[in-house]
Amino acid sequence: GIQVEQSPPDLILQEGANSTLRCNFSDSVNNLQWFHQNPWGQLINLFYIPSGTKQNGRLSATTVATERYSLLYISSSQTTDSGVYFCAAHPNYGGSQGNLIFGKGTKLSVKP
Amino acid sequence: DTGVSQDPRHKITKRGQNVTFRCDPISEHNRLYWYRQTLGQGPEFLTYFQNEAQLEKSRLLSDRFSAERPKGSFSTLEIQRTEQGDSAMYLCASSPPGQGNNEQFFGPGTRLTVL
Repeated sequence: GIQVEQSPPDLILQEGANSTLRCNFSDSVNNLQWFHQNPWGQLINLFYIPSGTKQNGRLSATTVATERYSLLYISSSQTTDSGVYFCAAHPNYGGSQGNLIFGKGTKLSVKP
Repeated sequence: DTGVSQDPRHKITKRGQNVTFRCDPISEHNRLYWYRQTLGQGPEFLTYFQNEAQLEKSRLLSDRFSAERPKGSFSTLEIQRTEQGDSAMYLCASSPPGQGNNEQFFGPGTRLTVL
């Protein structure tokens, strides 16, 4: 099955810094999502981005489907950005019903 | 749109007991997924429903686990004869019908602790 790998596993930033999180996937995909998991375990949707570029405030994401990777950019980080960021993908081949395969996440800590 | 809801939010049980969790998807979402997340890992897929039909089950879903979605709306996940290894966060997600967009939206999860 598809493999989803995220890097770095851990990231510590000073408030105000920018960061880039990477997600590599081993097969072509028809769904790719980025989530932020808050301290209570809730997965917050950040982007649905099987291809292209999207921006939402200080966050933006780019997926280059032909090269099988996606990037999440966080600019001017704030302490509230702390948490675990997950990338999840669904492969673009038949026989599977849309379930997402998650990476292991990037744990981000933003220091004041 | 009230989002995906799950009940209970927390469950503590003794080994060998049965537990049942409920998920209410976003209204008009015909696809519903169950995932399990253990500490330090990403969520792992358990099972998938389209309307009331259970169309896919992961190998993680042992015969002690059963899921239903009898009327194509809410779903239940039952674990029989719980084991300590079942301790995890159980997440439910839903997505809208159609081919063009299968973005999944997650509920707050049910955290299960088996003593």
